[in-house]
Amino acid sequence: QKEVEQDPGPLSVPEGAIVSLNCTYSNSAFQYFMWYRQYSRKGPELLMYTYSSGNKEDGRFTAQVDKSSKYISLFIRDSQPSDSATYLCAIPPDRGSTLGRLYFGRGTQLTVWP
Amino acid sequence: NAGVTQTPKFQVLKTGQSMTLQCAQDMNHEYMSWYRQDPGMGLRLIHYSVGAGITDQGEVPNGYNVSRSTTEDFPLRLLSAAPSQTSVYFCASSYSRTSGGNEQFFGPGTRLTVL
Repeated sequence: QKEVEQDPGPLSVPEGAIVSLNCTYSNSAFQYFMWYRQYSRKGPELLMYTYSSGNKEDGRFTAQVDKSSKYISLFIRDSQPSDSATYLCAIPPDRGSTLGRLYFGRGTQLTVWP
Repeated sequence: NAGVTQTPKFQVLKTGQSMTLQCAQDMNHEYMSWYRQDPGMGLRLIHYSVGAGITDQGEVPNGYNVSRSTTEDFPLRLLSAAPSQTSVYFCASSYSRTSGGNEQFFGPGTRLTVL
């Protein structure tokens, strides 16, 4: 079983829609949860970062962690065409010889059309 | 502060040729890694390094070599290119803190085509 699973989509929504992107993970010991955004022909960049359970909000973006079901979500409110990108969830191991490493989901390709 | 730089941006090789993809970072990060990204496959880890002189294999290391002689540089060598190595290659770096949650910074990528 992979450490992180993510539905690759693609997902296509109209401008203004609420978008929900999701990942599941396998190891209940994971504590940190990240979302990266990757525009076409660019490298991924960190979008949001949460620790443990609960919600974190940053403008139109909300990251949510449900540790009981090992489920993480990224919500985008009032989606814009500029949000069109691939969104990758990522989780670091927080101990052991692989510190610095990230386990990535496959990424969900999102298109927001005007 | 240039961040993570990669050269070349594009490369076309013939089957059997060898080449080196360059990666450098100026953030004094201990951890560096190479990924390949293929449609529908996400980012797959090829090799990584937790410091100068220390490297290890990731998920898909076959056909690739790495070395880390300095903190700044982490080149990826293709020994004998094959069409299956056609991909986009990303280099990334981060700190390696014991508390976890290390943001990885990515380079702009190298698009490699093997004919």
